Amino acid sequence: GAVVSQHPSRVICKSGTSVKIECRSLDFQATTMFWYRQFPKQSLMLMATSNEGSKATYEQGVEKDKFLINHASLTLSTLTVTSAHPEDSSFYICSHQAGVQETQYFGPGTRLLVL
Amino acid sequence: AQSVTQLDSHVSVSEGTPVLLRCNYSSSYSPSLFWYVQHPNKGLQLLLKYTSAATLVKGINGFEAEFKKSETSFHLTKPSAHMSDAAEYFCVVSANFNKFYFGSGTKLNVKP
Repeated sequence: GAVVSQHPSRVICKSGTSVKIECRSLDFQATTMFWYRQFPKQSLMLMATSNEGSKATYEQGVEKDKFLINHASLTLSTLTVTSAHPEDSSFYICSHQAGVQETQYFGPGTRLLVL
Repeated sequence: AQSVTQLDSHVSVSEGTPVLLRCNYSSSYSPSLFWYVQHPNKGLQLLLKYTSAATLVKGINGFEAEFKKSETSFHLTKPSAHMSDAAEYFCVVSANFNKFYFGSGTKLNVKP
């Protein structure tokens, strides 16, 4: 199947700093990219959807100024957690989709710990 | 609106015995349904998907699932569990292949 990578896999930062997470599709071009968050013992929750050439669409309750999403190219998306706080500590997972009505392929996730 | 209920948070089976992971869904539209598996420290891997074709869907690693509209279910089965099947499994519903709604997950434990 298609491969999506995420970097870093794990990051620890101080409260108030910003953290950037990269998500790359290695063997296909993604027209749509998604970012999810998974808190401990909970399921994945969609944060935002990003389509090529347009701004990201955020789910209700997700602050767009705090979670900056950049659909940099057809193979790269980034999520920047700005002014991170301990409650932002979570597992962040991206997925890329090659086209409309195509399967989503997920990255391995990034575990963020904010001290 | 779409939602998914995974009825068991933990399932434990012995190696070589059948596996049944239950999933019920709710959807306002004709849904697409997926099962993903997540091994520790690994990304989500697609096991199988239903997209309004055959109701019995065969996936990788011997897994299969049957779409039952009358029961709004999409249970995942495997005839014989292997130790390597131990992982967390997520049932997912989507109305348009864009927004994915995840179930809460079922952790499968396989005993020797």
